[in-house]
Amino acid sequence: DIQMTQSPSSLSASVGDRVTITCRASQGISNYLAWYQQKPGKVPKLLIYGASTLQSGVPSRFSGSGSGTDFTLTISSLQPEDVATYYCQKYNSAPLTFGGGTKVEIK
Amino acid sequence: EVQLLESGGDLIQPGGSLRLSCAASGFTFSTYGMNWVRQAPGKGLEWVSIISGGGGTTYYADSVKGRFTISRDNSKNTLSLQMNSLRAEDTAIYYCAKARGYSSSSADYWGQGTLVTVSS
Repeated sequence: DIQMTQSPSSLSASVGDRVTITCRASQGISNYLAWYQQKPGKVPKLLIYGASTLQSGVPSRFSGSGSGTDFTLTISSLQPEDVATYYCQKYNSAPLTFGGGTKVEIK
Repeated sequence: EVQLLESGGDLIQPGGSLRLSCAASGFTFSTYGMNWVRQAPGKGLEWVSIISGGGGTTYYADSVKGRFTISRDNSKNTLSLQMNSLRAEDTAIYYCAKARGYSSSSADYWGQGTLVTVSS
């Protein structure tokens, strides 16, 4: 099965900083990659699908890129409401594996 | 408005069985795949299973294969997860999540989750 590895596992950044989270697949998955945001105590929310397509209603400071095995989620200007854990997920074929998550905090 | 409401979570002894349900509304249920995703206390998300819109195709995580069965009743807009031979490591919040497409795809709507605790 394809493994999904996220890095870093946690990060602390200042408001307004550019934040980048990486997700690596152990084999190529084309662009079948989604990103989710889970705020503390809340349900996961879809941010991006197809590696780079922003889900409706998601702020434009979020963006995704990549194809094949290497993917990136970028927050262009970190806001206090972005404190959350972010997960990538592959969905090219089952199992639809999630990455281990990246916890984002404000410095 | 899409709504997903899970039910059936409980405290159950190891080796026991439990059936979770998810009542869906606000979309054409039979057109979309449906997932179960779980999250153990303080841990990350773990995909459990997916069923296609018509119910003819199902997939499972290796950790639950042979013990869990996903099913759906498109006449009642209901998704189910039959869980047998439960283990302590199955303790988690179980979310049902609507797929964006008919089968394998990202999940665009999630329920609030139902807690399953496996303990003696």
